[in-house]
Amino acid sequence: QQQVKQSPQSLIVQKGGISIINCAYENTAFDYFPWYQQFPGKGPALLIAIRPDVSEKKEGRFTISFNKSAKQFSLHIMDSQPGDSATYFCAASSQKVTFGIGTKLQVIP
Amino acid sequence: IAGITQAPTSQILAAGRRMTLRCTQDMRHNAMYWYRQDLGLGLRLIHYSNTAGTTGKGEVPDGYSVSRANTDDFPLTLASAVPSQTSVYFCASSVLAGYSNEQFFGPGTRLTVL
Repeated sequence: QQQVKQSPQSLIVQKGGISIINCAYENTAFDYFPWYQQFPGKGPALLIAIRPDVSEKKEGRFTISFNKSAKQFSLHIMDSQPGDSATYFCAASSQKVTFGIGTKLQVIP
Repeated sequence: IAGITQAPTSQILAAGRRMTLRCTQDMRHNAMYWYRQDLGLGLRLIHYSNTAGTTGKGEVPDGYSVSRANTDDFPLTLASAVPSQTSVYFCASSVLAGYSNEQFFGPGTRLTVL
């Protein structure tokens, strides 16, 4: 059973556009929600994270929106750039981290 | 500063052979993890270690074993490899075990079992 459901699996966005990746979870014990970014041939790296006591966190062009009642959270990439092309993983954790299946983002010029 | 190193970078292995994937970190992190990454399945935890001398099973532990003799090293062993173990394997570490600790990943080992 997939504890963290992530969509879409792939996404193509025009340069300058907004990329949106969605995740949903079931386990209400999750209390930390990180996003990891992975470039081809590399390991994932932490991009941004949020706790459920806030509804939004913004770092530069990257924003996490969090809806505790709906058990959903999303990553928004504003003014998407070709350098943002990567695979993005949402995750949720209580004592261990559970990852979503990943979204391959391609930003085209 | 190396962070986490993994070896080998890639390997082709005959089914039934034994294989050890190596992982070393120089950050003095207490917790270490092994994940496998498969298309459409994301990252799945195989085994973890919260501190030297202790290990635990993750989501997909069958066919794999680990040891944690010291803080820095966390090898993953496939006792008798099978084709379903073809995957990209990532080692990771965090300062402490626990939900809010950032995990630092190595560059991965691409393993093909024929």
